[in-house]
Amino acid sequence: GENVEQHPSTLSVQEGDSAVIKCTYSDSASNYFPWYKQELGKRPQLIIDIRSNVGEKKDQRIAVTLNKTAKHFSLHITETQPEDSAVYFCAASKAGNQFYFGTGTSLTVIP
Amino acid sequence: EPEVTQTPSHQVTQMGQEVILRCVPISNHLYFYWYRQILGQKVEFLVSFYNNEISEKSEIFDDQFSVERPDGSNFTLKIRSTKLEDSAMYFCASSEDRFYEQYFGPGTRLTVT
Repeated sequence: GENVEQHPSTLSVQEGDSAVIKCTYSDSASNYFPWYKQELGKRPQLIIDIRSNVGEKKDQRIAVTLNKTAKHFSLHITETQPEDSAVYFCAASKAGNQFYFGTGTSLTVIP
Repeated sequence: EPEVTQTPSHQVTQMGQEVILRCVPISNHLYFYWYRQILGQKVEFLVSFYNNEISEKSEIFDDQFSVERPDGSNFTLKIRSTKLEDSAMYFCASSEDRFYEQYFGPGTRLTVT
């Protein structure tokens, strides 16, 4: 089955700096890659996603890039704010099947 | 904005007891999922459900687990005889179509003592 690895496990940045979280996947048939943000004690919330027919997608301060050849995708957050502090999970799936999640990155934005 | 809801928010049960976790998916969604998250670990897929049938399940989803859509709105996860290792946060999710994004409920924290 699919194996998703996520790095780093923890990340601290100064407010206003950029944060980058990287994920790799093993199954070349995976074609949908969502990113979820989970604040402490709350539900995972979808923040951005990308499908395999696209190399990059941006939504305000958040962007995701996908390299199908290398089988990795990354989340980029620019101009970070304290409210960006949370655990971020990447996931991969194919053709609408189950999501395989990464192990999560705990992001702390220092004011 | 419609949201997935789950009840109860926290369930404490003794080992060997049966528990039923309840979910109300977003009303026009057709695909339903259960995931679990052991404290501090990643979210793990349990089962997906469509058209009153299980469409996919993981190795975790053994004979102790079952799912049901008893009426037009609820989606339940039953654990027949709970074990200590079943203690986790259980998330329900739903999607409009299997190729669309999944929306998660707030979770039920299950504690097995």
